Amino acid sequence: RKEVEQDPGPFNVPEGATVAFNCTYSNSASQSFFWYRQDCRKEPKLLMSVYSSGNEDGRFTAQLNRASQYISLLIRDSKLSDSATYLCVVTRGAAGNKLTFGGGTRVLVKP
Amino acid sequence: EADIYQTPRYLVIGTGKKITLECSQTMGHDKMYWYQQDPGMELHLIHYSYGVNSTEKGDLSSESTVSRIRTEHFPLTLESARPSHTSQYLCASSERGGDEKLFFGSGTQLSVL
Repeated sequence: RKEVEQDPGPFNVPEGATVAFNCTYSNSASQSFFWYRQDCRKEPKLLMSVYSSGNEDGRFTAQLNRASQYISLLIRDSKLSDSATYLCVVTRGAAGNKLTFGGGTRVLVKP
Repeated sequence: EADIYQTPRYLVIGTGKKITLECSQTMGHDKMYWYQQDPGMELHLIHYSYGVNSTEKGDLSSESTVSRIRTEHFPLTLESARPSHTSQYLCASSERGGDEKLFFGSGTQLSVL
């Protein structure tokens, strides 16, 4: 089993719709969680950190469920520019060092 | 915008050549990383460094080597390139003691013929 697993998609989303997807992690000692966005043939860029209490940044909402060991990302009012691959990133172990990337969830927003 | 730079952006080279991929950051970050990513696949950590004169191998075995003589510079070297080394190489950095937020360079797309 992979340490960090994501549904690869693609999620085909009509413009203006809401899309949500999860990422599961296997190490219960993981401390920090992030969502990165990667456009085709580009480098990943930090989208948002995921806090225990959940957090929101504009149209994006991230949540953490420690009991079930998953994090989620919800995108409201999807824009064409939201089309990208969303990477889940989890620190490995209680030491908080070393990050593990999920394989990414591809989102395609269509007019 | 992050100040981390990679050169070259694209490199096409013949088998057996020695190559060095450059990575520099001007943010004073102690931690630097090299990731390898094939198209449509996940990132794999191949090397990391937590400071000058500190280098460690990552999760994915790699024939490449790295050095960290200066804080801002973390070059990756392949002594003898092979077609199996064809991939995208991404350099990243983060602050020591920070919450592990990574800043990535634009990557080097390496093609070995």
